[in-house]
Amino acid sequence: EAQVTQNPRYLITVTGKKLTVTCSQNMNHEYMSWYRQDPGLGLRQIYYSMNVEVTDKGDVPEGYKVSRKEKRNFPLILESPSPNQTSLYFCASSLHTGELFFGEGSRLTVL
Amino acid sequence: KQEVTQIPAALSVPEGENLVLNCSFTDSAIYNLQWFRQDPGKGLTSLLLIQSSQREQTSGRLNASLDKSSGRSTLYIAASQPGDSATYLCAVLIQGAQKLVFGQGTRLTINP
Repeated sequence: EAQVTQNPRYLITVTGKKLTVTCSQNMNHEYMSWYRQDPGLGLRQIYYSMNVEVTDKGDVPEGYKVSRKEKRNFPLILESPSPNQTSLYFCASSLHTGELFFGEGSRLTVL
Repeated sequence: KQEVTQIPAALSVPEGENLVLNCSFTDSAIYNLQWFRQDPGKGLTSLLLIQSSQREQTSGRLNASLDKSSGRSTLYIAASQPGDSATYLCAVLIQGAQKLVFGQGTRLTINP
């Protein structure tokens, strides 16, 4: 089954404790992206990747890092999480300019 | 800067009615426009993708149109059902940048 898988789905952590949200897709898509969704602000792009070893900033990259060492994986790294990063995070993938497929989301709470 | 607006923010209709959701965007330089459905606490499910060269796409009871020159898209839902209740989002993929810009969504409720 074609899918985008994120882990963990739910996470509560404390300020400053590094964490990684993993994202994996099985559709051989070149393009992958991370979004955060917040009430009243909608979905905003954090980072995206056009292909292996090619990443670029989206609208709200501050406080986040990404890497794309393999085509199927695109982890989101929060080096020192802060409460303003409490949000619902989505990973997505597509062929270039094609239909975008989303993961189920990861709800992160930073205390 | 591309901005995407969806009106209305919320809509409640009786079961069986046909309805139209609206999406407008400020910059016509887009690759495509995509409609998504989001259920509470869930991810986004792609409904329809319209490439910039296309005028409409259909899937079952759903029909999406695109008028790039006027910066508008509509999602038509025929014979609505309670299971159609969800938030519907439209998004445009900007030309020259791999960036999808989302509207705020329309929260749709279909009353039995």
